Amino acid sequence: GENVEQHPSTLSVQEGDSAVIKCTYSDSASNYFPWYKQELGKRPQLIIDIRSNVGEKKDQRIAVTLNKTAKHFSLHITETQPEDSAVYFCAVRTVGGTYKYIFGTGTRLKVLA
Amino acid sequence: EADIYQTPRYLVIGTGKKITLECSQTMGHDKMYWYQQDPGMELHLIHYSYGVNSTEKGDLSSESTVSRIRTEHFPLTLESARPSHTSQYLCASSGTASGNTIYFGEGSWLTVV
Repeated sequence: GENVEQHPSTLSVQEGDSAVIKCTYSDSASNYFPWYKQELGKRPQLIIDIRSNVGEKKDQRIAVTLNKTAKHFSLHITETQPEDSAVYFCAVRTVGGTYKYIFGTGTRLKVLA
Repeated sequence: EADIYQTPRYLVIGTGKKITLECSQTMGHDKMYWYQQDPGMELHLIHYSYGVNSTEKGDLSSESTVSRIRTEHFPLTLESARPSHTSQYLCASSGTASGNTIYFGEGSWLTVV
């Protein structure tokens, strides 16, 4: 089945710096890759997603890049702010009509003021 | 915000008790999921459903059971709770109308004493 690896597990950056989180997956047929942000005590919320027919997608300070050949995708946050501090999860949707989502192990991002 | 509701939000019960965690969504999504998550940790898929009368076990073995008699309702039951079941349980759903993006409920925090 699909396997998703996420790195790093923790990341500390200074306010204003950039943060990058990377995920790799195993099934080359996977075609949808969302990113979720989970603040303390809250539900995971979708922040950005990308489909396999696109290499990059941007939404203000957040961007996601996809390398289908290497089977990895990354979340980029620029000009980080303290409110970006949270746990971030990548996910991969399996193919074959099941629409089962496999999540990465999470990255705890801390933005230092 | 997605319209997916979980009750109870918080529950403390004794060992050996039977409990049912309720999950309802009003978006007409055909696919529903249950994830188990310890605070800030990985999201483990324990059950999912493609539609009415279809349920499958997830990647993490669980002693819980689910049913899907109505599209909007996906309850999870523990016949005999144990302290090892203490965790947060997140219900989620996805459907064609919303691009098959997965949306989460606010979670049910279960403590078994």
